[in-house]
Amino acid sequence: ILNVEQSPQSLHVQEGDSTNFTCSFPSSNFYALHWYRWETAKSPEALFVMTLNGDEKKKGRISATLNTKEGYSYLYIKGSQPEDSATYLCAFPESSASKIIFGSGTRLSIRP
Amino acid sequence: GAGVSQSPRYKVAKRGQDVALRCDPISGHVSLFWYQQALGQGPEFLTYFQNEAQLDKSGLPSDRFFAERPEGSVSTLKIQRTQQEDSAVYLCASSLGTSGGAVETQYFGPGTRLLVL
Repeated sequence: ILNVEQSPQSLHVQEGDSTNFTCSFPSSNFYALHWYRWETAKSPEALFVMTLNGDEKKKGRISATLNTKEGYSYLYIKGSQPEDSATYLCAFPESSASKIIFGSGTRLSIRP
Repeated sequence: GAGVSQSPRYKVAKRGQDVALRCDPISGHVSLFWYQQALGQGPEFLTYFQNEAQLDKSGLPSDRFFAERPEGSVSTLKIQRTQQEDSAVYLCASSLGTSGGAVETQYFGPGTRLLVL
């Protein structure tokens, strides 16, 4: 059974501060690593799909890095805003087919 | 454009009752997925369709769970004789499904929150 771990489980950050959290995944048989943002009462929204070791992707104030050899990805948020409050999920495809395994998520709360 | 929709958004069922949850994927998306999300956990894979073919149902927790997608678009997840442990959010997602499933973005619906009393 594949293990996808996210840490921390929850995080409280002051508005304006930057923050980051981690997703750990098996370093063998790597296909891709997905990041999603899930705001309360909304649908999970795709942030990034990362495929190459050393990949770095950016979307506004949010960026992510990938290390496939050691099996981790970091998500960074620069200058946190209240609208960044959400659960951030990473997901790891089990194979080249579509079944993906999700981590438990990091619940981020931004204090104004 | 229209995203993935699910209905009902909320469902309260008495233990032993059958329920049916509906998913309308994005038009033209070949792949469709169902996930179950328990409180405090990430979504857990239930089953996957490519068009009308159910290619993987390894995540269905028991034979009380059944999913279908008869015409390759709308899908229904049916739970028979519901139990309290079935209480969860059921998410549906779709993807283009044209190639390389592992790298394709999945587009999620808002989920159906099921509470079994």
